[in-house]
Amino acid sequence: EAGVTQFPSHSVIEKGQTVTLRCDPISGHDNLYWYRRVMGKEIKFLLHFVKESKQDESGMPNNRFLAERTGGTYSTLKVQPAELEDSGVYFCASSPGWGYEQYFGPGTRLTVT
Amino acid sequence: AQSVTQPDIHITVSEGASLELRCNYSYGATPYLFWYVQSPGQGLQLLLKYFSGDTLVQGIKGFEAEFKRSQSSFNLRKPSVHWSDAAEYFCAVGSKTSYDKVIFGPGTSLSVIP
Repeated sequence: EAGVTQFPSHSVIEKGQTVTLRCDPISGHDNLYWYRRVMGKEIKFLLHFVKESKQDESGMPNNRFLAERTGGTYSTLKVQPAELEDSGVYFCASSPGWGYEQYFGPGTRLTVT
Repeated sequence: AQSVTQPDIHITVSEGASLELRCNYSYGATPYLFWYVQSPGQGLQLLLKYFSGDTLVQGIKGFEAEFKRSQSSFNLRKPSVHWSDAAEYFCAVGSKTSYDKVIFGPGTSLSVIP
């Protein structure tokens, strides 16, 4: 069984540009989560999808961040325009349902220069 | 406020030595507690979790953790460290009502000397 995959593994962009991160959850997992770790600090929750619906997006830092999960399969996280403080590692996780273990992907390292 | 602290940013141990990684939490509700490990280039892997019951929890790779409610702690232990255990370890807390919004500690980086 394939795990959670994320693309790209590393992205370097300039301040003001747009970047789109992609997450493919484990097949059949309805729950999909985004987290990020900025500058070696704590890993922080961003948002949670159940199928294609946003269950909780209380962790999204501001309106420059837009997450989508069309069709309830893969998800994208777009940052537009990117700022220096957005640099960090963005993790995606999935689970088959509420109360189950979350399986994490390897993360996308975003560097904004 | 809900939080998780891991007092040790970095720990170095010799291969074969015992290991204890500390974790303290502040959480209003009855906590669910987790330890995750991230090896270089890998995603976060769940080592073990505590929901209820026996306060000594066994996990994968020979790790165990003990929940001490009076001390608000959930320390991770391993009796004999292997070189492959070098990684970053994260303590995390959630609850029955917010299981899906897990709060992570800052992480402890473990180096193992051959």
